Amino acid sequence: EAGVAQSPRYKIIEKRQSVAFWCNPISGHATLYWYQQILGQGPKLLIQFQNNGVVDDSQLPKDRFSAERLKGVDSTLKIQPAKLEDSAVYLCASSRNNGEQFFGPGTRLTVL
Amino acid sequence: AQSVTQPDIHITVSEGASLELRCNYSYGATPYLFWYVQSPGQGLQLLLKYFSGDTLVQGIKGFEAEFKRSQSSFNLRKPSVHWSDAAEYFCAVGTRSEKLVFGKGTKLTVNP
Repeated sequence: EAGVAQSPRYKIIEKRQSVAFWCNPISGHATLYWYQQILGQGPKLLIQFQNNGVVDDSQLPKDRFSAERLKGVDSTLKIQPAKLEDSAVYLCASSRNNGEQFFGPGTRLTVL
Repeated sequence: AQSVTQPDIHITVSEGASLELRCNYSYGATPYLFWYVQSPGQGLQLLLKYFSGDTLVQGIKGFEAEFKRSQSSFNLRKPSVHWSDAAEYFCAVGTRSEKLVFGKGTKLTVNP
């Protein structure tokens, strides 16, 4: 089965610009996660979707970050405006809700 | 609150030597436990997982881990390390339907 797809793989922007990341989960996986991984740290959850509803967005900086999962499949994560500290790898993962999450290759964001 | 501690930031071993990476967790009940590996520029790949039952679990690439409830530990082992094992290793704790909480990772360097 195909894995989790993410695009773009790399993005460089200047601070105060906006950026969007896309994720296509594994077919049939109802749960989708966005994690932020800052250099030298483990991934940290930003938002969790169950189908197209939000389960957990307690760690999402809602003044600048937004995410949606229309139709319960693909998801988009947006940052507007970006700050220097948003430089990180953004990982998307999906799950059948059985405890096992499958991760995509990630998008490496550099904010200058 | 859930937390994961990986005490070793960086470990260096010689090829063919044995390996043990430490992981301690804090959680209210028996969690689901995971080890992931991340090669440079790549996403996270699941090495093994513990949900219940036998406390010694086998994973891919010759890795195994042992769950010790009394010590709140889930250490990763490999009897003989290969140069291709050089990567960063993350321990994580979660449940069936919730986010994963990751440790900060242990970077493994393998000397020839």
